[in-house]
Amino acid sequence: NAGVTQTPKFRILKIGQSMTLQCTQDMNHNYMYWYRQDPGMGLKLIYYSVGAGITDKGEVPNGYNVSRSTTEDFPLRLELAAPSQTSVYFCASSYSPGTRSPWEQYFGPGTRLTVT
Amino acid sequence: GQQVMQIPQYQHVQEGEDFTTYCNSSTTLSNIQWYKQRPGGHPVFLIQLVKSGEVKKQKRLTFQFGEAKKNSSLHITATQTTDVGTYFCAGLSWGNQFYFGTGTSLTVIP
Repeated sequence: NAGVTQTPKFRILKIGQSMTLQCTQDMNHNYMYWYRQDPGMGLKLIYYSVGAGITDKGEVPNGYNVSRSTTEDFPLRLELAAPSQTSVYFCASSYSPGTRSPWEQYFGPGTRLTVT
Repeated sequence: GQQVMQIPQYQHVQEGEDFTTYCNSSTTLSNIQWYKQRPGGHPVFLIQLVKSGEVKKQKRLTFQFGEAKKNSSLHITATQTTDVGTYFCAGLSWGNQFYFGTGTSLTVIP
């Protein structure tokens, strides 16, 4: 199993440009998450999904969009990039059995994004 | 909104000394997870605590969940250089969102 994979690893964007961060997991996890981590800080949840076709906002969703058309993929779209979106972005997945709390999160290697 | 505070922010210890990081939530948690992140790496899951007052051990690491399920701690006995990294707690309230603490960065001096 590859686990959680993310592309690209690094990206530099100009202000106002758009891009999609890709995330794929091969563990058949129903939950997937997008976090951002600013230097020296903890992780902030951007969006999450509890299954294909279902997404919900996290703590810091403004400026981002997501979709979940399959169990495996959870792309994050940045529209009109701003310097405040310079960060490291982590995708994660976990399994939740039915109505119980999700189990451990498996993180991808991250995407380092700079907006100038 | 929910907040998860973690202290200290930084800790420098001599190799062999003990280390503790504390996590406090503004709301009652259904469970709490702990992660370790090496410099330049991604968070790696360490453990999950669910029950009030729960204590779990992993070799030199001891994890506790408070009786009120609003705080937690991670204690490392006799630190080694391999323990270097940032330790995060992540609290789950009664929904699907995990709130991560700000992390404690551990430096171990050989």
